[in-house]
Amino acid sequence: NAGVTQTPKFQVLKTGQSMTLQCAQDMNHEYMSWYRQDPGMGLRLIHYSVGAGITDQGEVPNGYNVSRSTTEDFPLRLLSAAPSQTSVYFCASSYSRGALSNEQFFGPGTRLTVL
Amino acid sequence: EDKVVQSPLSLVVHEGDTVTLNCSYEVTNFRSLLWYKQEKKAPTFLFMLTSSGIEKKSGRLSSILDKKELFSILNITATQTGDSAVYLCAVEALIQGAQKLVFGQGTRLTINP
Repeated sequence: NAGVTQTPKFQVLKTGQSMTLQCAQDMNHEYMSWYRQDPGMGLRLIHYSVGAGITDQGEVPNGYNVSRSTTEDFPLRLLSAAPSQTSVYFCASSYSRGALSNEQFFGPGTRLTVL
Repeated sequence: EDKVVQSPLSLVVHEGDTVTLNCSYEVTNFRSLLWYKQEKKAPTFLFMLTSSGIEKKSGRLSSILDKKELFSILNITATQTGDSAVYLCAVEALIQGAQKLVFGQGTRLTINP
């Protein structure tokens, strides 16, 4: 199993550009989520999905869109990049969506810089 | 508002020392508390705690949860330079029918030789 994969590893954008961060998992996990990590702030939930076709907002959803057309893929779209979106983005997945917690598997992260 | 607070934010010790990292939380519908270790890349899972007073151990690392006082500690004994990392605490809460993780800011631990 490849686990959780993310592409690209690094990206530099200009203000106003759009792009999609890719995330895929091959563990047949129902639950997938996107976090951003900024210095001194831990991880903050952007959007999450409890299954194909179902997505919802997390703590900091503004400026981001998601879709979940398949169980495997959960792309994150930046509609019009802003310098405040400079961050490291992590995708994560886990088996359960409502039962007692279990291990979340994290992707390697995407470091995004918006100029 | 759900929140998780870790302390200290930063800690520097010498190899061989024992350290205790703290995590306190205020969440509704608590499900579990998780500890992660983050080095250069993605967080890696250490422990999941759901019951008070039951210590989880893995080698030199151990953790315990107090659901009455709403906190957890992570102990590392006989520290090694490889323990240098950011340690993240996260609490799982059932919010609006969905499992969500709320993370603390992390504790940056540096072990000097």
